[in-house]
Amino acid sequence: DQQVKQNSPSLSVQEGRISILNCDYTNSMFDYFLWYKKYPAEGPTFLISISSIKDKNEDGRFTVFLNKSAKHLSLHIVPSQPGDSAVYFCAAIIHAGGTSYGKLTFGQGTILTVHP
Amino acid sequence: NAGVMQNPRHLVRRRGQEARLRCSPMKGHSHVYWYRQLPEEGLKFMVYLQKENIIDESGMPKERFSAEFPKEGPSILRIQQVVRGDSAAYFCASSRQKNTEAFFGQGTRLTVV
Repeated sequence: DQQVKQNSPSLSVQEGRISILNCDYTNSMFDYFLWYKKYPAEGPTFLISISSIKDKNEDGRFTVFLNKSAKHLSLHIVPSQPGDSAVYFCAAIIHAGGTSYGKLTFGQGTILTVHP
Repeated sequence: NAGVMQNPRHLVRRRGQEARLRCSPMKGHSHVYWYRQLPEEGLKFMVYLQKENIIDESGMPKERFSAEFPKEGPSILRIQQVVRGDSAAYFCASSRQKNTEAFFGQGTRLTVV
């Protein structure tokens, strides 16, 4: 039962353009969402998060949008840089139930390639 | 401040052998989480431990897998009688408190031959 889904296995973008990574979830109990970035042979690194009481959170070149009614979130990277090339994972937790921030439900990941 | 340290980075075991994966959390962190990533999949939660206690093991397979986080020393994920299907990347994460960000280690890639 895949509760967090990233339906695009890969995305290719030109340097300087916008990258949009999408994520859908099925469990309406999820109330906190995170994006992680992962390089080969390394662990995931936290990128940005959003609480379900918000619909947008911005941090530099990264913006996460949340559409609760559609159970959909997206990560926008603008402008994209070659160093952004990595696997991006969407993750969710049910925080309201007292669940630890470390118990994450991950999507399958999207491989982003930014071409110079 | 060193990050989450996992060792070994790569581990090869024959079918039927035991695998021991170690995780040293970041300094000051007493909460540890283990995840498994199978090929072409996302990370799947396995177990959450706090010093000497298993808090949540809802993602652990019922047999052959165990985890501990002793008062002294690293957390250990132990897989007995490994099978080919256990081949995966195993990641450990740690956090200072239950409701603070978890940081991931670089993972241990287990290959069962």
